[in-house]
Amino acid sequence: SQTIHQWPATLVQPVGSPLSLECTVEGTSNPNLYWYRQAAGRGLQLLFYSVGIGQISSEVPQNLSASRPQDRQFILSSKKLLLSDSGFYLCAWSAGGQETQYFGPGTRLLVL
Amino acid sequence: SQQGEEDPQALSIQEGENATMNCSYKTSINNLQWYRQNSGRGLVHLILIRSNEREKHSGRLRVTLDTSKKSSSLLITASRAADTASYFCATDPGSGYSTLTFGKGTMLLVSP
Repeated sequence: SQTIHQWPATLVQPVGSPLSLECTVEGTSNPNLYWYRQAAGRGLQLLFYSVGIGQISSEVPQNLSASRPQDRQFILSSKKLLLSDSGFYLCAWSAGGQETQYFGPGTRLLVL
Repeated sequence: SQQGEEDPQALSIQEGENATMNCSYKTSINNLQWYRQNSGRGLVHLILIRSNEREKHSGRLRVTLDTSKKSSSLLITASRAADTASYFCATDPGSGYSTLTFGKGTMLLVSP
């Protein structure tokens, strides 16, 4: 069966520090991968999606970047965090050609 | 930008009662999905309804879709305390990459 992991679970970082959040998927090959951000009391905002290694599409201009160095690994990064980067970050995957997405447990990021 | 808008924002009911949540959207869709999120956790897919379907059932869940009104509803029958969670609708334009657009969600509280 397929499993999706995210780490860390929580993170407190100072403004201006770098960020690296990791997401890995097990039990499937060539998944579509997604990064979402959820602000308190709001829905999910799609940040990036990837349909293959090295292929990244950005949905909104922002202070963040994403990379997919391996088929089942998706990384969210920032060189310098802003206060507005605080939120709940969710990684998700879907099988190619399938509409349903499967979410990881999320990373709660607090930038102080 | 938010595509789906759920209504109500919050709903409080007693165990055994039915819960109905509504979702409105603005643009054409290939399918509409409902997800559930327990507090501080990732989202779990509940049900998908395609644009050529009007109603779908899964256990205690019943989803309707009216593409002429660009609206959907999720009915949870005989609710349980364990149904307490936030419920989100997500629209899929059918781009092939499952780029879902989520609403802000309805927070459901089911009291014993």
